Amino acid sequence: EVQLVQSGAEVKKPGESLKISCKGSGYSFTSYWIGWVRQMPGKGLEWMGIIYPGDSDTRYSPSFQGQVTISADKSISTAYLQWSSLKASDTAMYYCARLFHSNYLYFDYWGQGTLVTVSS
Amino acid sequence: DIQMTQSPSSLSASVGDRVTITCRASQGISNYLAWFQQKPGKAPKSLIYAASSLQSGVPSKFSGSGSGTDFTLTISSLQPEDFATYYCQQYNSYPWTFGQGTKVEIK
Repeated sequence: EVQLVQSGAEVKKPGESLKISCKGSGYSFTSYWIGWVRQMPGKGLEWMGIIYPGDSDTRYSPSFQGQVTISADKSISTAYLQWSSLKASDTAMYYCARLFHSNYLYFDYWGQGTLVTVSS
Repeated sequence: DIQMTQSPSSLSASVGDRVTITCRASQGISNYLAWFQQKPGKAPKSLIYAASSLQSGVPSKFSGSGSGTDFTLTISSLQPEDFATYYCQQYNSYPWTFGQGTKVEIK
């Protein structure tokens, strides 16, 4: 059974750093892209970027390029989303999701989400 | 960026109703369109990819159609568990973009 299990909720202050995780199981972690999606409170879904754990090839949405870093550790089947300096506007739910690949990539399985709250 | 516009933004329907949600892309995306269902407090669930192909385990009451710029998601007979927000998403070109969502509520 494919599963993506995300790390727990975080409460941080502005300016702090943070790294959240997404651990894949039940499939070959290095053979599928993983994507990250943001959902701000009461709002819709926003695509942030994707990573191929096999070689760490990464693509970012221009809206998030330079604001976050996506990485992966294939030895422990885990993808990461990190911030070096959080802002209040980073308060949101963050989802990871696996991407199936045929001709194109599309989301199939989703993690349960990690709530990040940034407040002074 | 490709803009995805869903209509309506919300709708009220009764159990047993046939419901159709529309998604329009600002430029042609072939059939590189997905649909997701999200219930309150839960992660999105993938329903459809390639505009009309059901994800594994998704019941056949959900169907999708369209190509180019205009797409629809249809629920053939609405059940209590289908009340949720539905999103479309294009994966034809980066950056991938989602529609704003359609909230399906109980009448």
